[in-house]
Amino acid sequence: SQELEQSPQSLIVQEGKNLTINCTSSKTLYGLYWYKQKYGEGLIFLMMLQKGGEEKSHEKITAKLDEKKQQSSLHITASQPSHAGIYLCGADGLIIQGAQKLVFGQGTRLTINP
Amino acid sequence: DTGVSQNPRHKITKRGQNVTFRCDPISEHNRLYWYRQTLGQGPEFLTYFQNEAQLEKSRLLSDRFSAERPKGSFSTLEIQRTEQGDSAMYLCASSPVRRLAYEKNTEAFFGQGTRLTVV
Repeated sequence: SQELEQSPQSLIVQEGKNLTINCTSSKTLYGLYWYKQKYGEGLIFLMMLQKGGEEKSHEKITAKLDEKKQQSSLHITASQPSHAGIYLCGADGLIIQGAQKLVFGQGTRLTINP
Repeated sequence: DTGVSQNPRHKITKRGQNVTFRCDPISEHNRLYWYRQTLGQGPEFLTYFQNEAQLEKSRLLSDRFSAERPKGSFSTLEIQRTEQGDSAMYLCASSPVRRLAYEKNTEAFFGQGTRLTVV
């Protein structure tokens, strides 16, 4: 079965600093999703990557999928308090019949210090 | 608000009691998923529906758990004879169907979750 490993598990950065979160898969990624979760709440979709080498950006967040499609990174530029939360990577566990059953990493808890 | 809605947001119950949670997906989404998330972990897949058909159940879904989606719209997740180990956040998500394997993947939209505490 597919497993996702996120690193680091927690991260504390000073406001304004850049940071990177990594997500490594044990198998080829057919669809890689990044979500953000505030404590005790649901998941908010950030970005989806499918193709090797793909890179997407939204505001100050950039996500990349490596050429081999086994690792993804999430980079935040000039971090702000609003970026604080838990970042989760999720992967499509099945491609048969177009099912979208996500397997998630354990999450990275991001704290932004003012 | 046209997002995924879950009720209740919080539920505290005594061990051995039955509980039921409800999920209202985004109206045009055919697929509905249930996940469970324990503290410090990512969500774990429990089951999913396409319209009213339950197409897959995880081995995490013991006999005490049952999910339904009777008319292909809202879904309920029932836990019978709750145990302390059932304490978790139960998340519901929905997505439109992807008819062909090569079609672009679509993201799942999650609700706010129901936090269950079994005492």
